[in-house]
Order: sequence, then C-alpha cells, then structure tokens
Amino acid sequence: KQEVTQIPAALSVPEGENLVLNCSFTDSAIYNLQWFRQDPGKGLTSLLLIQSSQREQTSGRLNASLDKSSGRSTLYIAASQPGDSATYLCAVRRLDNFNKFYFGSGTKLNVKP
Amino acid sequence: NAGVTQTPKFRILKIGQSMTLQCTQDMNHNYMYWYRQDPGMGLKLIYYSVGAGITDKGEVPNGYNVSRSTTEDFPLRLELAAPSQTSVYFCASSNRLAGLGETQYFGPGTRLLVL
Repeated sequence: KQEVTQIPAALSVPEGENLVLNCSFTDSAIYNLQWFRQDPGKGLTSLLLIQSSQREQTSGRLNASLDKSSGRSTLYIAASQPGDSATYLCAVRRLDNFNKFYFGSGTKLNVKP
Repeated sequence: NAGVTQTPKFRILKIGQSMTLQCTQDMNHNYMYWYRQDPGMGLKLIYYSVGAGITDKGEVPNGYNVSRSTTEDFPLRLELAAPSQTSVYFCASSNRLAGLGETQYFGPGTRLLVL
C-alpha cells in the first residue's frame, strides 16, 4: 500500500526566505506526483504536476523535483511572500490504477511579514 | 464557468440519519472524485467515476454510496451516519487527456459533523 509522508508538518519563515518542502512515498511505481495548495476553509489548487519520467517542473517561484527511485519529491519556493502562507499537499497517482491518488497530510507554511 | 460546486457547505447530522452531498461541475469533465479530509490529515479517496454510469471504490468506501447518472453530477450518499464520518468532504473533477498531465479541480468542500 502506498504511504505518503510530508515533513515538516508546519513551517514558519520570515518573508524573503527560500524554503523547501518535502514529500516521500513508499512505492516508487507511480504515474505522476502533484503538489497542491490549500487555503483555510477552501478546496485544493493544483500547483505543479510531475510525470514519473520527469525530474522537475517549474512555475514562477516554484520548482518541484522528483526522485522516483528514492521515493522523494521536494517543492522549492523562492523568495517567499506572506501570500504563500497555506497548507501544501503532495499526492501520488498509482501506476497500476490511474484513478487512485494518495495524499500526504500536508505542510502548513506561515510566511511572516 | 462556476467550476466544481458543492452543497451544503456545512451540515450537522444525528447518528443514524442519512443525507446526500451534492457535487456538480460545468467543465464537461469525464472524471469525478469524492475525498474526505480528517483534521490534520491528507485526503482519502472515497469513490470515483470515469464517466456517466461508471463508478468505482477508492480507499475508504465503507458507509458511502455514489451514483453518476449525468456527466455533471456526482452525489455522495451517507445512509447511516456515524461519528467516524465527521470530516470535510471534497469533490473534484478532471479531464483525462492521454499522455498529458491531468489537473484535478476541487470544490470548496462540505463540512459534516455527526453527533
């Protein structure tokens, strides 16, 4: 069974810092990995999607990497801003059943002005 | 486009009561999903559908039922509510394009409290 873990559970940084969020998964037979952002009381917004054949994806100040063999992904946020404060979740899609996603419990990020 | 809409936003149920959580999407997506999120946890897949008339179980289907009579609607039914079903329920939809990345679009969630 696929287990997805995110460390740390919470992170507080001053504005302007670069930071890294971690996601690990136990079964490397994944189809893709996706990073989401969740604001309080809201649904999830997709940030980046990495196919299993890719090593990284970039969007603006965000860069996500994937090391499938070691079961790890990182989300790098450059020059953090207070507006980045949210919970960040990663999710993996199984290779043998594209319709099943497994989510981590998230990292709650607070960027202090 | 309204995207994915869910009703109600919040509901309190007594143990043993039943209710239906509504989910509608106006993006003509063929795939729809129901998740639950317990406090401090990630999302767990309850049921999903790959098209009208086709549904399948996710990771935690017990205590729930679904139907998909139209492309737009994917209601989730709780027949005998239990305290363990207290959670926030999210509906999502996506359009599977072969060989391309697929993004799920999420509704705002329904907060359910079973007492």
